[in-house]
Amino acid sequence: EVQLVESGGALVQPGRSLRLSCTASGFSFGDYAMSWVRQTPGKGLEWVGFIRSKAYGGTTQYAASVEGRFTISRDDSKSTAYLQMDSLKIEDSGVYFCTRDRSTGWYWFDPWGQGTLVTVSS
Amino acid sequence: EMILTQSPAILSVSPGERATLSCRAGQSIISNLAWYQQKPGQAPRLLIFGASNRATDTPDRFSASGSGTEFNLTISGLQSEDFAVYYCLQYHKWPRTFGQGTKVEIK
Repeated sequence: EVQLVESGGALVQPGRSLRLSCTASGFSFGDYAMSWVRQTPGKGLEWVGFIRSKAYGGTTQYAASVEGRFTISRDDSKSTAYLQMDSLKIEDSGVYFCTRDRSTGWYWFDPWGQGTLVTVSS
Repeated sequence: EMILTQSPAILSVSPGERATLSCRAGQSIISNLAWYQQKPGQAPRLLIFGASNRATDTPDRFSASGSGTEFNLTISGLQSEDFAVYYCLQYHKWPRTFGQGTKVEIK
């Protein structure tokens, strides 16, 4: 069974940093891109960014709203993707999901993890 | 970025009836559209990809159609487990974007 499990969500002050993890099982993690999608009260579901598989260079792309503040990385030996979030803003609050993706980027998201809650507040 | 407009925002339907949900794109996305179901406290679950293809485990009471800018998701014979929020996703234009959702509630 394909499974994705996120962790690392927390309450954090504006301007601070947080790192989320997404551990995968049930498929060959290294063969796939991984995306992060968030669900916020203000914007609903929003694609945050993704990281391609090593076969496609492991390159990353981000939504304009997080470019320069968020960084996605991966450790294929641990079947884990990470979302490093710096300079957090109140509007970054929401549930963050990781999803399996394809390195071309022209694909739907499936499956999704259960999500982890990030709250940015002073 | 590509705007997806879903209508209606809320759809009140009695169990056993049919529900038709709409998703409209700002410009043609050919058939590069997916539909998701989300229940409270859960992640979205893929129902449909390629505008009309049911995902694995999607019951056949769910059907979808459309191309270009107009898409529909139809749920025939609504069951209790179908009351949820439904989202469309376009993966034709960068960045991929979601509609704002349609909540299907019990009438």
